[in-house]
Amino acid sequence: QSVLTQPPSVSAAPGQKVTISCSGPSSNIGNNYVSWYQQLPGAAPKLLIYLNNRRPSGIPDRFSASKSGTSATLGITGLQTGDEADYYCGTWDTSLNAVVFGGGTKLTVL
Amino acid sequence: QLQLQESGPGLVKPSETLSLTCTVSGDSISSSSYHWGWIRQPPGKGLEWIGSIYNTGSTYYNPSLKSRVTISVDTSKNQFSLKLSSVTAADTAVYYCARHSRWLQDGNVVSDFDIWGQGTMVTVSS
Repeated sequence: QSVLTQPPSVSAAPGQKVTISCSGPSSNIGNNYVSWYQQLPGAAPKLLIYLNNRRPSGIPDRFSASKSGTSATLGITGLQTGDEADYYCGTWDTSLNAVVFGGGTKLTVL
Repeated sequence: QLQLQESGPGLVKPSETLSLTCTVSGDSISSSSYHWGWIRQPPGKGLEWIGSIYNTGSTYYNPSLKSRVTISVDTSKNQFSLKLSSVTAADTAVYYCARHSRWLQDGNVVSDFDIWGQGTMVTVSS
């Protein structure tokens, strides 16, 4: 059971928009910064978003994120088949004194 | 360009100690302000943070694994290592090393892994 809660799967058609939610208690998301990772099939995770909503160099602006209270959301617009991957949220948990991740959300582009 | 590469045995017997090394190229661990971490992923499952280390040798571990984990750093070789003792089949996973950004900003913790190794599969089996 993951500390952060994500939907197991989401799907949408090419060109459409999808959002992935991530929720947790105040000890983690509520008081610390959230990051998001993309894991393509058979590959290592890749940092997609850091500091709640910042994109590393090279990440297209089709990817965006936000945080409000104890929830965070990743948004992907203009979906492409190459976006099919598992997406994870992550943050620091002040009570556990540990890095925590969500269980991951599998994105299917129909 | 920064690169991380995991190395170590792909098969470990139950009750023995899993040992992996991460070699960092393109940056110096000793002069870097980053932390360095280990994350694992059991087959078909999600990510689990194991622990991280700073170049001073200061470590912090996942409480659920703390009693079995030791992470160390060798700045002369630009490497950091993971030892996980008393392994069972539940420790079978892909093990990743990664550069870990961790600091305080506005009273909140920033924590993310921006560069990852390709991962190495470790199977625990007799």
